[in-house]
Amino acid sequence: EAGVAQSPRYKIIEKRQSVAFWCNPISGHATLYWYQQILGQGPKLLIQFQNNGVVDDSQLPKDRFSAERLKGVDSTLKIQPAKLEDSAVYLCASAHGTGEGTEAFFGQGTRLTVV
Amino acid sequence: EDQVTQSPEALRLQEGESSSLNCSYTVSGLRGLFWYRQDPGKGPEFLFTLYSAGEEKEKERLKATLTKKESFLHITAPKPEDSATYLCAVRGNFNKFYFGSGTKLNVKP
Repeated sequence: EAGVAQSPRYKIIEKRQSVAFWCNPISGHATLYWYQQILGQGPKLLIQFQNNGVVDDSQLPKDRFSAERLKGVDSTLKIQPAKLEDSAVYLCASAHGTGEGTEAFFGQGTRLTVV
Repeated sequence: EDQVTQSPEALRLQEGESSSLNCSYTVSGLRGLFWYRQDPGKGPEFLFTLYSAGEEKEKERLKATLTKKESFLHITAPKPEDSATYLCAVRGNFNKFYFGSGTKLNVKP
């Protein structure tokens, strides 16, 4: 079974530029998450989708971050404009559902450096 | 407010020296506690799910246990290849998936 695919693996941009990340979840997984992981910290949930609907985006900085999940499969996360503090690894995860005990599986992440 | 706290932040062990990592949580309506392993430069790798107090799961040198307020990840006779950051996550009533800050384990030969 193929895992969660993310691209690009690395990205370096200047502050105030824009950037987009792409995620292809495990086939058949209805739930998709985007996390931000700053070096030395645990992953912080940015947004959760159930199929193509947003379940939770309470921690997404909506003035600069946006995300979509077209047709309930692939997802993109965009930052515009980027700030220095956005430097982090952006992780995508997917899960079959949100039922009791349902685990999430993660991609390799995209490491973003804002200079 | 839902919260997950892991301790210690870092742990250094000699090969063969057993120890435990702690994950304490406050969450409304626990719908699962999850342990992950994360190697540098990689995404978290799923290890265990627990969702009932008293439940235990084992995999090789790792054993996870769960009480009503905390979980322990016991590492028996660790090897250098067990060195990684171990993350704990919980799913609560609103299906949010919260992570702790992790315990960085270093096992020296």
